[in-house]
Amino acid sequence: AQTVTQSQPEMSVQEAETVTLSCTYDTSESDYYLFWYKQPPSRQMILVIRQEAYKQQNATENRFSVNFQKAAKSFSLKISDSQLGDAAMYFCAYRSGEFSPGGSEKLVFGKGMKLTVNP
Amino acid sequence: SAVISQKPSRDICQRGTSLTIQCQVDSQVTMMFWYRQQPGQSLTLIATANQGSEATYESGFVIDKFPISRPNLTFSTLTVSNMSPEDSSIYLCSVRTGMKVGEQYFGPGTRLTVT
Repeated sequence: AQTVTQSQPEMSVQEAETVTLSCTYDTSESDYYLFWYKQPPSRQMILVIRQEAYKQQNATENRFSVNFQKAAKSFSLKISDSQLGDAAMYFCAYRSGEFSPGGSEKLVFGKGMKLTVNP
Repeated sequence: SAVISQKPSRDICQRGTSLTIQCQVDSQVTMMFWYRQQPGQSLTLIATANQGSEATYESGFVIDKFPISRPNLTFSTLTVSNMSPEDSSIYLCSVRTGMKVGEQYFGPGTRLTVT
């Protein structure tokens, strides 16, 4: 079974600075997807960014980018120019690829990390 | 993405009773899911709601405790039956729109407290 580990329960960053959130995962599959979700106090889960394992290029979405290291099974999220609205719980998630034997739509989440942005 | 609403947004229920949570999407979606988020914890998939057939439950979750309906491509319900304080959680529905493989979009969640 796949597992996702977020080893840092909390981090803080100064407004306008850059912060990196770490995530590692364990899988025997070669085809899969990785995601970062954000959950602000409103508890709405918001998709931040998506990475396909077969793509070597790291995904970017505006101020958000990932460092995907497939061999190391590492998937970190970098937030540039941090804003107060970035304060939230951040969850890393894994999904099997469509062609993985026994693969499913199920998202496997890490335990999450609380990000505080200081003004 | 899709606009997803859930009702109720929160509820406080007595032990032994049942609560039905509704999930409505503003467009037809291929797949709908129900997750549980226990206090201070991560999200765990309860089941996949299949349109026109029985839901597919994950290990540790059973239909008698969490019956699910999905009468059409925009609506689903999750019932939490015979509740105990251990069922106090946030329950979230999510959908896969089919636009991008693997992406799921979540509703705002239902915060359930069982006393």
